[in-house]
Amino acid sequence: KNEVEQSPQNLTAQEGEFITINCSYSVGISALHWLQQHPGGGIVSLFMLSSGKKKHGRLIATINIQEKHSSLHITASHPRDSAVYICAASQGGSEKLVFGKGTKLTVNP
Amino acid sequence: EPEVTQTPSHQVTQMGQEVILRCVPISNHLYFYWYRQILGQKVEFLVSFYNNEISEKSEIFDDQFSVERPDGSNFTLKIRSTKLEDSAMYFCASSYDRNNEQFFGPGTRLTVL
Repeated sequence: KNEVEQSPQNLTAQEGEFITINCSYSVGISALHWLQQHPGGGIVSLFMLSSGKKKHGRLIATINIQEKHSSLHITASHPRDSAVYICAASQGGSEKLVFGKGTKLTVNP
Repeated sequence: EPEVTQTPSHQVTQMGQEVILRCVPISNHLYFYWYRQILGQKVEFLVSFYNNEISEKSEIFDDQFSVERPDGSNFTLKIRSTKLEDSAMYFCASSYDRNNEQFFGPGTRLTVL
């Protein structure tokens, strides 16, 4: 059974700060997803990665397969980045995503 | 940009009643999913659907749940006899391939009284 753990649970930052959210998983996976959940509840896919690093705008996601660990970084954080960030893992041969509990990020102006 | 849509946005029902939650996945996607999120808890997988049949389901997805693709565009989740503990946000998602990014709908908030 794959367990997905995130840290920290809550994160408060000042506008402009560099943010890191961590995710670890317990078994081998085929892909790791980073998702953003807005206060209204909607979920947006940010990244799907199985190795290395991906960048989109101010967001960077990295994964270390050997260490079963992924990080999501936000550079030059902004109040509009305030949301819950969720990592989810899929195992080979399965479409099922196993979700972490999420990291609630608040960026203050 | 294509998106997944869900209706209704909020459904209130009495315990024991049947509800049908509707989703329109992205048109060229082949894999469809239902997830739920009980308030304050993490998102949980319910079921995946491909080629007009269930490809995977979780322990949560028991006999009171069913899914259907009644036509070429809609994907529905039916809960036959709702319980109080079915109150949650239900998300539909779709992907082109099983190993591709999943696109989520805005969710349906189900409240069972």
